[in-house]
Amino acid sequence: DIQMTQSPSSMSVSLGDTVTITCRASQDVGIYVNWFQQKPGKSPRRMIYRATNLADGVPSRFSGSRSGSDYSLTISSLESEDVADYHCLQYDEYPYTFGAGTKLELK
Amino acid sequence: QVQLKESGPGLVQPSETLSLTCTVSGFSLTSYSVSWVRQPSGKGPEWMGRMWYDGDTAYNSALKSRLSISRDTSKNQVFLKMNSLQTDDTGTYYCTREDPHTMGSWGQGVMVTVSS
Repeated sequence: DIQMTQSPSSMSVSLGDTVTITCRASQDVGIYVNWFQQKPGKSPRRMIYRATNLADGVPSRFSGSRSGSDYSLTISSLESEDVADYHCLQYDEYPYTFGAGTKLELK
Repeated sequence: QVQLKESGPGLVQPSETLSLTCTVSGFSLTSYSVSWVRQPSGKGPEWMGRMWYDGDTAYNSALKSRLSISRDTSKNQVFLKMNSLQTDDTGTYYCTREDPHTMGSWGQGVMVTVSS
């Protein structure tokens, strides 16, 4: 199975910060990486698809990028509503696999 | 409006079988695939398997021996059955719609606890 190694596992952040979360794929997954936001007690929400594309309704302060096997989610000018858990997903190959998650917490 | 809703028992005895239903609206199961994803509390999600729009299925190899996914298109429902449940199967179970970019719509989830 493809491993998605996500870092950091948690981050202490301040409003207005630029935040970057990274997933490293254990083998080539091409562009087939999504990023999800999940708030407590809620279902995941797709934020980025195919590594770099903003999902419908997602604010433009969110962006995705790829460098080789490293995939990143960046949040510019963090707002309070962005404090949540974030997960990456590879869907290039079965079984689809998620990263372990990054928890953003306010300082 | 695309909607998915999971239903099923909240408590299952160890070694017994879990049966969940995903009822969908706003789209056809013959046009879109549906996946099941579960998430232990405080951990990352795990993809369990998929019901393709054409009726084919795909399973996570780690669960394949215990898992079955089926559907009733006339009732707009997708079913999950998993046997030999253990305590580490406890978590929230979701169904998701597989649009071209994967997992674009999710149900609210159903919490399943495996305990005697």
